[in-house]
Amino acid sequence: ETGVTQSPTHLIKTRGQQVTLRCSSQSGHNTVSWYQQALGQGPQFIFQYYREEENGRGNFPPRFSGLQFPNYSSELNVNALELDDSALYLCASSLEDGGLEAFFGQGTRLTVV
Amino acid sequence: GQSLEQPSEVTAVEGAIVQINCTYQTSGFYGLSWYQQHDGGAPTFLSYNALDGLEETGRFSSFLSRSDSYGYLLLQELQMKDSASYFCAVGSDYKLSFGAGTTVTVRA
Repeated sequence: ETGVTQSPTHLIKTRGQQVTLRCSSQSGHNTVSWYQQALGQGPQFIFQYYREEENGRGNFPPRFSGLQFPNYSSELNVNALELDDSALYLCASSLEDGGLEAFFGQGTRLTVV
Repeated sequence: GQSLEQPSEVTAVEGAIVQINCTYQTSGFYGLSWYQQHDGGAPTFLSYNALDGLEETGRFSSFLSRSDSYGYLLLQELQMKDSASYFCAVGSDYKLSFGAGTTVTVRA
C-alpha cells in the first residue's frame, strides 16, 4: 500500500507567478484535502475533493483552486502568488470526506520572493 | 464561528505523563482527532474519538466529552522521541480543522 506522495518537495517562485502542486493519495482513498501551514502554526484547511468534486472550502481566495482526477490524485493551483503564500502545503487523503483519520504527505515547501 | 484552543507549550521529563487539553466550539461536530508533527515532517495520525470516552493506543490515549466540548491527549512514559508538536483537529461539516498546536519538549 503506497502512502501519500507530494511533488515537488521544495519550490521557489516570484511574486505574481502561478504554481501547481501535486498529490497522489493513498491507495483506496477517495478524498483529498489540502492545507497551508505557516511556520509555527497549525494546518489551515484550503479545500477538499471527494470523488472529483470540491465539497468543502476554507477561507482562501479564488486564486487557490484545485482538481481531483479519476485516480483520486489531486492538484493545487495558486495564481498571482503573494509573499504571504510562502508556507508548507500539505495534502492529506482519507477513506471518506472529512474522515477523522487522515494520512498526510511530506508537503511542498513554497517560497515566494 | 469555529474555535479550537490548546496550550501552546508543555515541558516534561522522560518517563512522565503529559495531558494536552483541547476545547472547541463548532457546529456540525462529529469527532476529534490528534496528530503529531516533528520538525520538518508531516503530521501523523495518533488517535480519534467519535464518541464520548477514552481510546487507548499504546502509550497514547485520547478522551472526548461532547457535552463539555472538550478532549485531551494523554502521553504516558514520555520518551525523547515524543518531543514534537501535537494538534487536535475537529471534524465538522465533513472537514478537519486543526488547532494551533502544542509543542511538547521532553527533557532528560
